[in-house]
Amino acid sequence: DAGVIQSPRHEVTEMGQEVTLRCKPISGHDYLFWYRQTMMRGLELLIYFNNNVPIDDSGMPEDRFSAKMPNASFSTLKIQPSEPRDSAVYFCASSLRLGGNYGYTFGSGTRLTVV
Amino acid sequence: QKEVEQNSGPLSVPEGAIASLNCTYSDRGSQSFFWYRQYSGKSPELIMFIYSNGDKEDGRFTAQLNKASQYVSLLIRDSQPSDSATYLCAVLNTGGFKTIFGAGTRLFVKA
Repeated sequence: DAGVIQSPRHEVTEMGQEVTLRCKPISGHDYLFWYRQTMMRGLELLIYFNNNVPIDDSGMPEDRFSAKMPNASFSTLKIQPSEPRDSAVYFCASSLRLGGNYGYTFGSGTRLTVV
Repeated sequence: QKEVEQNSGPLSVPEGAIASLNCTYSDRGSQSFFWYRQYSGKSPELIMFIYSNGDKEDGRFTAQLNKASQYVSLLIRDSQPSDSATYLCAVLNTGGFKTIFGAGTRLFVKA
């Protein structure tokens, strides 16, 4: 398996623009997670899906952020409008199950810079 | 109090020594515990998991769990320069629905 695939790897955009981050989870994994990592706040869970259904979006910072998972092999995280404080590395991760010995497999991340 | 706390380091050890990384958590009902390694500019990579009290060994790595003290640790024996990375402690919370990550401990292994 190619692992969790994220695109783009880097994104530089101007404040106020819409940004869409993409993720393809590992085939067969039932859970998909979006995390954001910054030096100040570390890894923060934004939202996670189970079988394409959003389960917990309490970590989404505000209404400017939205996430979808239209099918088992694709998810998007959208920021509209973007702000400089959204600059971070955004990771997508997937997992076969929750709990026990089922850890997460992370994608390579998208480094977002909002200027 | 943070949900998962780690000493940010950096922790510096000489090559061949034992590196000891520690983590405490606040949710007493937490079920599963994980250690991830993250090289600079890369994504986190799962290296160990543990869910029963005691020790679990995998090669040069040993995870230790003490639920009564709400304490998890990772020992790296015969540390190598290639072990230099940030180590993230992650805890699956009560109910098993959310994994909380610590801020990570930076480890430097000096050749």
